[in-house]
Amino acid sequence: RKEVEQDPGPFNVPEGATVAFNCTYSNSASQSFFWYRQDCRKEPKLLMSVYSSGNEDGRFTAQLNRASQYISLLIRDSKLSDSATYLCVVLLKTGANNLFFGTGTRLTVIP
Amino acid sequence: ETGVTQSPTHLIKTRGQQVTLRCSSQSGHNTVSWYQQALGQGPQFIFQYYREEENGRGNFPPRFSGLPFPNYRSDLNVNALELDDSALYLCASSAGQGTDTQYFGPGTRLTVL
Repeated sequence: RKEVEQDPGPFNVPEGATVAFNCTYSNSASQSFFWYRQDCRKEPKLLMSVYSSGNEDGRFTAQLNRASQYISLLIRDSKLSDSATYLCVVLLKTGANNLFFGTGTRLTVIP
Repeated sequence: ETGVTQSPTHLIKTRGQQVTLRCSSQSGHNTVSWYQQALGQGPQFIFQYYREEENGRGNFPPRFSGLPFPNYRSDLNVNALELDDSALYLCASSAGQGTDTQYFGPGTRLTVL
């Protein structure tokens, strides 16, 4: 079983739409949670950390449900520049600080 | 930009060859991790160095090895290359074991023919 599961998409949405991504993680000992964004043929870049209390950064809202082992990302008022792959990431400290990535969800925002 | 640099950008090798990939982590960071990202997949953890000591390893065979250097540098060596080793190899640095956020370099795209 994969440590992190997420819907690969693709999600094709019009500009201005609201889109939600979800993922689940298998190890209840996971300690930290993130969403990374990856543009085509580029490296992953940290979008935001995810906290149980929920956190917001502009048009982006992330939520963590530890009981259900579920992480979400909501993007409001989608822009063309939001087109990318969004990676759900959990950190498990196995001696090392080991990041486990989902396969990513591809988003295309259409004009 | 994260301040993490990697070289070379692209590399083409043939099966059975050996390759060395280089990473310079962000100044002040003392933890370097290496990841392999195959096409259409998320990155997978290879190993991590904390202050030049290996402190964790993912599910990769021993032919994947690392060499840490002072001054925030690290090499990834892969021996006896196989076709499935074709991937984007990413280096990530963080400020310490107690700090969770990792910042990625641009990666080295390795093609094995």
